[in-house]
Amino acid sequence: KNEVEQSPQNLTAQEGEFITINCSYSVGISALHWLQQHPGGGIVSLFMLSSGKKKHGRLIATINIQEKHSSLHITASHPRDSAVYICAVQYSGGGADGLTFGKGTHLIIQP
Amino acid sequence: EAGVAQSPRYKIIEKRQSVAFWCNPISGHATLYWYQQILGQGPKLLIQFQNNGVVDDSQLPKDRFSAERLKGVDSTLKIQPAKLEDSAVYLCASSLDGFANQPQHFGDGTRLSIL
Repeated sequence: KNEVEQSPQNLTAQEGEFITINCSYSVGISALHWLQQHPGGGIVSLFMLSSGKKKHGRLIATINIQEKHSSLHITASHPRDSAVYICAVQYSGGGADGLTFGKGTHLIIQP
Repeated sequence: EAGVAQSPRYKIIEKRQSVAFWCNPISGHATLYWYQQILGQGPKLLIQFQNNGVVDDSQLPKDRFSAERLKGVDSTLKIQPAKLEDSAVYLCASSLDGFANQPQHFGDGTRLSIL
């Protein structure tokens, strides 16, 4: 069974700070997803990656397959970045590729 | 492109009652997922459909939960009878093709409260 661990569970920072959220998993995967969830439940996919690094605007996601670790970075953080950030992993064995989620990191950016 | 549609948005029922949720995925998406998210936890996969066939239902409590996707498009998830521990947000997601890594697109969820 694959466990997905995120840290920190809660993070409060000041506007403009550089934010890092970490994710580790225990077995081999085909892809890792970073998702954002706002109050009310809606989930938005931020990144899907299987190697290296991806960047979108102020968000950067990296993954190290050998170390089974991924990080999500937010540069120049803003109060609108306040949300729960969830790491999830995916297998591709036999077509069953439902996501296994971490518990999420609750991020608050104060103005 | 229209997103994943779910209804109802909220539902409150008493324990032992029945409830059903509906999901309409993004047009053309072959794969549909139902997830359960209990407060304070990450979502947990309940069932995955590829067109109208079940790919994975290993975590679905089959004594009380059932799901169908008869025509390979929209899907319903039913709980009968409901228990207090079923209080959660039920999320539906879809992806283009479950046999290759694809992003999953989520609906807004149905928030279920059991009294």
